Amino acid sequence: KAGVTQTPRYLIKTRGQQVTLSCSPISGHRSVSWYQQTPGQGLQFLFEYFSETQRNKGNFPGRFSGRQFSNSRSEMNVSTLELGDSALYLCASSLVLAGAQETQYFGPGTRLLVL
Amino acid sequence: GENVEQHPSTLSVQEGDSAVIKCTYSDSASNYFPWYKQELGKGPQLIIDIRSNVGEKKDQRIAVTLNKTAKHFSLHITETQPEDSAVYFCAASKGNTPLVFGKGTRLSVIA
Repeated sequence: KAGVTQTPRYLIKTRGQQVTLSCSPISGHRSVSWYQQTPGQGLQFLFEYFSETQRNKGNFPGRFSGRQFSNSRSEMNVSTLELGDSALYLCASSLVLAGAQETQYFGPGTRLLVL
Repeated sequence: GENVEQHPSTLSVQEGDSAVIKCTYSDSASNYFPWYKQELGKGPQLIIDIRSNVGEKKDQRIAVTLNKTAKHFSLHITETQPEDSAVYFCAASKGNTPLVFGKGTRLSVIA
């Protein structure tokens, strides 16, 4: 079974631009979560989508947004990029197990550099 | 909200020795504790997880222990090998809330 895939793998943008990152979950997984990873802050939760609905949201400004499509693929968008948005953006997918914690499987990430 | 602290931030061991990484959490309602390994240029990979109804879990050279009273859990790697060198993250959550991660431990296994 193929793992979580993310595109693009690397991206360079300039301040003020916007960017869209894509994530394809493991086949059959219905939940997709996004994380930002930086050396200083570590792994921080951005948001989670399930059945095209945002289920949870982290403490990030409104410039960070996302969506999920009917095939469970997800995109996240960052508008008006700032230097501090430079990070590895990770996507994780999981099955939804009623009454139990869901194991999350991560993709390789998209490394974004903002100049 | 939940807060997870992880120690040490760096750890060097000789090949064949054991490595122990410790995490503490703040929310006594947390009931799921996964450990992830992240190699350079890759996303985190789940290596073992434990739920609050279990005190210990083992998978070959890797084991995790959970002390709910003290609110801490630990990762134990025995007979370390050079390929165990990576950054290890602990995390905690309850129900279907998002995972809260520790800051990571960079493990170096010296041959």
